[in-house]
Amino acid sequence: DAGVIQSPRHEVTEMGQEVTLRCKPISGHNSLFWYRQTMMRGLELLIYFNNNVPIDDSGMPEDRFSAKMPNASFSTLKIQPSEPRDSAVYFCASSDSGMPGELFFGEGSRLTVL
Amino acid sequence: AQSVAQPEDQVNVAEGNPLTVKCTYSVSGNPYLFWYVQYPNRGLQFLLKYITGDNLVKGSYGFEAEFNKSQTSFHLKKPSALVSDSALYFCAVTGGSYIPTFGRGTSLIVHP
Repeated sequence: DAGVIQSPRHEVTEMGQEVTLRCKPISGHNSLFWYRQTMMRGLELLIYFNNNVPIDDSGMPEDRFSAKMPNASFSTLKIQPSEPRDSAVYFCASSDSGMPGELFFGEGSRLTVL
Repeated sequence: AQSVAQPEDQVNVAEGNPLTVKCTYSVSGNPYLFWYVQYPNRGLQFLLKYITGDNLVKGSYGFEAEFNKSQTSFHLKKPSALVSDSALYFCAVTGGSYIPTFGRGTSLIVHP
């Protein structure tokens, strides 16, 4: 299996622009997570989907952030409008619900907002 | 509620020496415990897990971890450290929910 695939790997944008990050989970996994990693705050869970349904979005910072999972093989995280404080590495992870807690992470999308 | 503490931000060890990265946890019910490793500019990778059974769990790259229920700890160990082991290590716990709680991470630096 190719693992969790994220795109883009790097994104540099200007404040106010819309950013869309993409994720393809491992085939057969029915749980999907979006995390954000910064030096200051560490690894933060943004949102968790199970069977394509958002279950826990309490970590989504504010209305500027939205996430969708239209089908089992694709998810997006959108930031509109972006701000410099959104600069971070965003990770997507997937798991099999038969093994709680065992996550498979993508390589991450490094976002820089100028 | 579930929580994880990694009391050391950084651990320094000489190559060839044994290493320990500490983790304590709090969870309702029986814990599912995990260690992940993150190399620079990479995603987290699963190293090992404890679900039930033997308290000493063996994982990838020669790492092992010891589950201690009375001390609520799950320390990561390796008998002989390699320079290539230098990375960021995360402990995680869940009480059976699908959402694990991660620690802040410990930076392991192995000196030649």
